[in-house]
Amino acid sequence: DTEVTQTPKHLVMGMTNKKSLKCEQHMGHRAMYWYKQKAKKPPELMFVYSYEKLSINESVPSRFSPECPNSSLLNLHLHALQPEDSALYLCASSQALQSGDGYTFGSGTRLTVV
Amino acid sequence: QKEVEQNSGPLSVPEGAIASLNCTYSDRGSQSFFWYRQYSGKSPELIMSIYSNGDKEDGRFTAQLNKASQYVSLLIRDSQPSDSATYLCAVNDGAGNMLTFGGGTRLMVKP
Repeated sequence: DTEVTQTPKHLVMGMTNKKSLKCEQHMGHRAMYWYKQKAKKPPELMFVYSYEKLSINESVPSRFSPECPNSSLLNLHLHALQPEDSALYLCASSQALQSGDGYTFGSGTRLTVV
Repeated sequence: QKEVEQNSGPLSVPEGAIASLNCTYSDRGSQSFFWYRQYSGKSPELIMSIYSNGDKEDGRFTAQLNKASQYVSLLIRDSQPSDSATYLCAVNDGAGNMLTFGGGTRLMVKP
């Protein structure tokens, strides 16, 4: 299995809703990442987990809350989002944080905040 | 501040031509270099990785690395309309910690 699976593929939520994005990989990778990508821009790093511990939080607002329940799963909990948070949210994984290898990306969740 | 620079394009080439995509990076300690292809509305797909100076070929793709000049490029031979996409250059820092992405170059291959 060489895939990173993200669900849902599309999500529309109101500004008062609470929702979660899910990411799963079974490649034995120990580093997992959340990225946010706006149209015509490169991916922007949000969070990094290494061996299930939060390693990097790139000053992301608290309305985004990551969780890593185990080595295969990564969640992003969303609450009280703003319309400007609408974007493509990408999960990625790599063998380890310092392995120097490339990342495998999931297909993404297209989020629209209304 | 580690930077990875790419010309945003669009780079327009005719079908069958060679497309040349370029990337420069600021961190001289960078060790690993990657090219991702991203179709509109889709996620990035890793297409090439290169770790040492010189050329690396994979099918119609050739990655070129020159660490002295802090320059990495991607050549696409016999370009096809299906190659039309945004190509992201990504560089791993000297400690092997994080990928830094360039802004991407949009490639258009015209039939």
